[in-house]
Amino acid sequence: SQTIHQWPATLVQPVGSPLSLECTVEGTSNPNLYWYRQAAGRGLQLLFYSVGIGQISSEVPQNLSASRPQDRQFILSSKKLLLSDSGFYLCAWSLGTSGIVNEQFFGPGTRLTVL
Amino acid sequence: DQQVKQNSPSLSVQEGRISILNCDYTNSMFDYFLWYKKYPAEGPTFLISISSIKDKNEDGRFTVFLNKSAKHLSLHIVPSQPGDSAVYFCAVGSGNTGKLIFGQGTTLQVKP
Repeated sequence: SQTIHQWPATLVQPVGSPLSLECTVEGTSNPNLYWYRQAAGRGLQLLFYSVGIGQISSEVPQNLSASRPQDRQFILSSKKLLLSDSGFYLCAWSLGTSGIVNEQFFGPGTRLTVL
Repeated sequence: DQQVKQNSPSLSVQEGRISILNCDYTNSMFDYFLWYKKYPAEGPTFLISISSIKDKNEDGRFTVFLNKSAKHLSLHIVPSQPGDSAVYFCAVGSGNTGKLIFGQGTTLQVKP
């Protein structure tokens, strides 16, 4: 069966510090990978998605970047955090079937607080 | 410009009764529709889905209805249980992009 891991679970960082959140998926190959953010009291905003190693699409201009160094590893980064980067960050995966929408399965999330 | 809207931020229902959660979308190109359930400080979990070729899909206590002409999606939970209390997100997608767009969520409270 497939599992998805995210770490850390919670993180408190000062403004201007760097960020690295990691997500790994087990039990599947060539998944599509996604990073979402849920701001307080709001829905899920898609930040990045990837259909393969080194292939990253950005959905919104922002202070963040993503990388996919391995097939089942997805990393969310920032060089300098802003207060507005606070939120609940979710990684998700889906089967990478071209031309079809598949269910996405979410990790446990990372609660990021920027002070 | 929100392509997916859940106009009710919250819903309160008595245990044993029906819960109806609604979702509206704007683009007729969407062809896959999903509902997710989310507890605080956890990732959303997939509940049920429906493709555009159907108008109803049932899984136990959960039924999703799709009205393509109205661009409207609903989730029925019968009977509602206190453990169903959570935030429910609808999501829509298109095979052209493979991406999902989520609504803002509706917080369901089922009272014992």
